[in-house]
Amino acid sequence: EIQLQESGPGLVKPSQSLSLTCSVTGYTITSGYDWSWIRKFPGNKMEWMGYISNSGSTNYNPSLKIRISITRDTSKNQFFLQLNSVTTEDTATYYCAREDNNYVMDAWGQGASVTVSS
Amino acid sequence: DIQMTQSPASLSASLGETVSIECLASEDIYSNLAWYQQKPGKSPQLLIYYASSLQDGVPSRFSGSESGTQYSLEINSLQPEDEGDYFCQQSYKFPLTFGSGTKLEIK
Repeated sequence: EIQLQESGPGLVKPSQSLSLTCSVTGYTITSGYDWSWIRKFPGNKMEWMGYISNSGSTNYNPSLKIRISITRDTSKNQFFLQLNSVTTEDTATYYCAREDNNYVMDAWGQGASVTVSS
Repeated sequence: DIQMTQSPASLSASLGETVSIECLASEDIYSNLAWYQQKPGKSPQLLIYYASSLQDGVPSRFSGSESGTQYSLEINSLQPEDEGDYFCQQSYKFPLTFGSGTKLEIK
């Protein structure tokens, strides 16, 4: 059974970078699927941030394109989110997920709450 | 970006009742619509994909339908464990976009 688990700092200062790790067990991220980051803001709005494919290519939400980077470490079966120049508006719960061939998320992590505050 | 307008924002219903949640797409998404359930403190779970296909393991009391650009999730015979948030997602065009969510309370 696949499991995804987010980890990283729960508090980030404005203008700094937000970095999160998604550790995947039960499936090898190079075997297939795309590996996504999604965030849920206070008030429940959800935003798809982007993915890294099983071959290592990336696809980002244009609204974040200049600030976001998704990378991976295949030896550890992990993928990562970096979001630069954060503001208080980036305060959210961040989820990693597996995205299937139809661009539907069929497995999600538990979520990591990140607050941007000085 | 494709806008997904979801309604209602909240819903309260009794055990055994049937409820319906709607999502209206701002353009044709050709059935590329998924529904998710999120229980309090838990991660989202995929219920339905491609508008009406039930994900493995999801009870048959959940069903999806479409009419033009309007998509519906129906839950029959409400159970206590159905309480939670429900949201739709279009998978037709990037960036993928979500509805604003519906909070379902079981009375």
